Amino acid sequence: NAGVTQTPKFQVLKTGQSMTLQCAQDMNHNSMYWYRQDPGMGLRLIYYSASEGTTDKGEVPNGYNVSRLNKREFSLRLESAAPSQTSVYFCASSGETQYFGPGTRLLVL
Amino acid sequence: AQTVTQSQPEMSVQEAETVTLSCTYDTSESDYYLFWYKQPPSRQMILVIRQEAYKQQNATENRFSVNFQKAAKSFSLKISDSQLGDAAMYFCAYRRFTGNQFYFGTGTSLTVIP
Repeated sequence: NAGVTQTPKFQVLKTGQSMTLQCAQDMNHNSMYWYRQDPGMGLRLIYYSASEGTTDKGEVPNGYNVSRLNKREFSLRLESAAPSQTSVYFCASSGETQYFGPGTRLLVL
Repeated sequence: AQTVTQSQPEMSVQEAETVTLSCTYDTSESDYYLFWYKQPPSRQMILVIRQEAYKQQNATENRFSVNFQKAAKSFSLKISDSQLGDAAMYFCAYRRFTGNQFYFGTGTSLTVIP
C-alpha cells in the first residue's frame, strides 16, 4: 500500500519548456488535488478533481492544466514553464481525510 | 470561502516540555472536519490528528491532543513531552462535511530546543 506517489521527485526546466507531473493513489479515493507550496508559505490549491472525469480550478490555476486519467491517476501539466512556477508541488487524495504525496521540487530557469 | 487562521508564525519549546499551537477558523457549517498536519524538513505532509465537529470528545493521538472549542471556532494542538523529532511546520486544516476542498492555515514553525 504505497498511498500517494508522485514522479518525478525533482526537475529542472528552462523557461518555455513543458512537462507533466504524474500522481497516483491506491486508496480508492474519489477526490484528488494538486497544490503548490512556495518558500515560507502554505499550500495553494491549483486544481482538484472530485471524481473521475471531473476537474475544477483552485486558487492558482493559471499556467497549468490537469487530466484525471482514471480513478487512480491525476496529472498536472505545465505547457510553457515560467520562473514563477518554481515551487514544490504536492499531489493529494482524499476520502474524509487528505493524504499527500512526497512532493516534486521544480526549478524553472 | 472558509478561512483558517494560525496566528503564531513561529513557536519554540524546550525538549520534554508541552507546547500548544493555535488555530481558529471561520464557518457557518455545523458539521465539518478539522485536521493538524506536520511538515518536517523532508517536506512530507503527515497527518497528525483529526477531529469531527459532531464529536464532543477531543481527539488524542499519543502525545498529541487537541482542544476543540466549537462555539469559539478554535482548534488548538497540544504536544506533550516534546521531542526533537517534533520540530516541523504544523498546518491546521478544515473541510466541510460534504465538501471536497480542504482549507489550510499558513502554518506554525515549531522549534524544539535540546
